[in-house]
Amino acid sequence: DTAVSQTPKYLVTQMGNDKSIKCEQNLGHDTMYWYKQDSKKFLKIMFSYNNKELIINETVPNRFSPKSPDKAHLNLHINSLELGDSAVYFCASSPGGAQPQHFGDGTRLSIL
Amino acid sequence: GENVEQHPSTLSVQEGDSAVIKCTYSDSASNYFPWYKQELGKRPQLIIDIRSNVGEKKDQRIAVTLNKTAKHFSLHITETQPEDSAVYFCAASRGDSNYQLIWGAGTKLIIKP
Repeated sequence: DTAVSQTPKYLVTQMGNDKSIKCEQNLGHDTMYWYKQDSKKFLKIMFSYNNKELIINETVPNRFSPKSPDKAHLNLHINSLELGDSAVYFCASSPGGAQPQHFGDGTRLSIL
Repeated sequence: GENVEQHPSTLSVQEGDSAVIKCTYSDSASNYFPWYKQELGKRPQLIIDIRSNVGEKKDQRIAVTLNKTAKHFSLHITETQPEDSAVYFCAASRGDSNYQLIWGAGTKLIIKP
């Protein structure tokens, strides 16, 4: 069973479109994260939710909106996609506090 | 806030030799230091972590050392093998309610046959 699963794995779309990425974890963790990894490989935290409550909201354009319907799911909606949004987006989860984070396989977003 | 610096950005070693990657952190309240390995096209995966109450931890060919006074920690890989080729990330966390890991910029490790 996949612990942290993201869909879709690949997303190719036109500039200006709106798209969503879904994430689900079956580890029973309280905390979930969204990261952006660009071509330089740096892992940039975007958002974090703890038990459906937003606890980390880094400097990210308003076009990005996370939603956590329950503590096992954290989705990412992106409006008006731009060329600079092309990256791999990773979802992760952890029990919270100083504990390991478990990553999904990533969603590779390409903007044409 | 916390800042984590990681060196070198690229490391090339001969197969069988040892590799050492170093990270320094700025926040003396940080108490949890994981290392992640990311193979090409794959997700980051935890390979080893250390907490501030110990100075060293080993797992087979991998070890991590922590110097709290100097605020740096290092990853040591002995007897390197081709499958060790990957990008390695260090991170630091205070473990408080922010639940945030502060990440290093990554080290690309290349194992030469």
